[in-house]
Amino acid sequence: DTEVTQTPKHLVMGMTNKKSLKCEQHMGHRAMYWYKQKAKKPPELMFVYSYEKLSINESVPSRFSPECPNSSLLNLHLHALQPEDSALYLCASSQGPHSNQPQHFGDGTRLSIL
Amino acid sequence: ELKVEQNPLFLSMQEGKNYTIYCNYSTTSDRLYWYRQDPGKSLESLFVLLSNGAVKQEGRLMASLDTKARLSTLHITAAVHDLSATYFCAVDLGGSEKLVFGKGTKLTVNP
Repeated sequence: DTEVTQTPKHLVMGMTNKKSLKCEQHMGHRAMYWYKQKAKKPPELMFVYSYEKLSINESVPSRFSPECPNSSLLNLHLHALQPEDSALYLCASSQGPHSNQPQHFGDGTRLSIL
Repeated sequence: ELKVEQNPLFLSMQEGKNYTIYCNYSTTSDRLYWYRQDPGKSLESLFVLLSNGAVKQEGRLMASLDTKARLSTLHITAAVHDLSATYFCAVDLGGSEKLVFGKGTKLTVNP
């Protein structure tokens, strides 16, 4: 069982909808990440939160809005998405930028935009 | 800009055979990670390599790191069907939080 929990597992939404992806970890990790993964491609970093502050935004369109309410939770708010945004969205956590431990990934949310 | 290249991208092998996957990266980094991903699943951490000459083994998989050559290898010994998956190497920019992945190697082990 993964220690990083993502909900929902699947999400289908129209281009005018607003939805949120949620991620939770209870490993005491101080860094949390959002990745986007298209089929047969590697994960691509979107956002990094370190100690609950946004530290990296990889020039992600504003229709994706991250939020870190506390050190255990990470949300990704979605609005007015495009069909090309359909992908697997992975959340990960780690002990922090200077840790020698790997990032732990959740099972992902498979997002389909109609 | 950090670039991470894996080869081969596709690997089909017979059970019982040995093979090596290569991962080259373009800038100095002291930390390299190997992950496994099964179809439709998440990424599972396999190895963390932290220093030049590091070697780690788990079952039929062995990973090594040569920081001077900027090269890591993942060696598969006596492959079995259960090893079929996509394997990614990933490198971080020394002290940064950004992990850059290679394109992945899709491994298929045939009976």
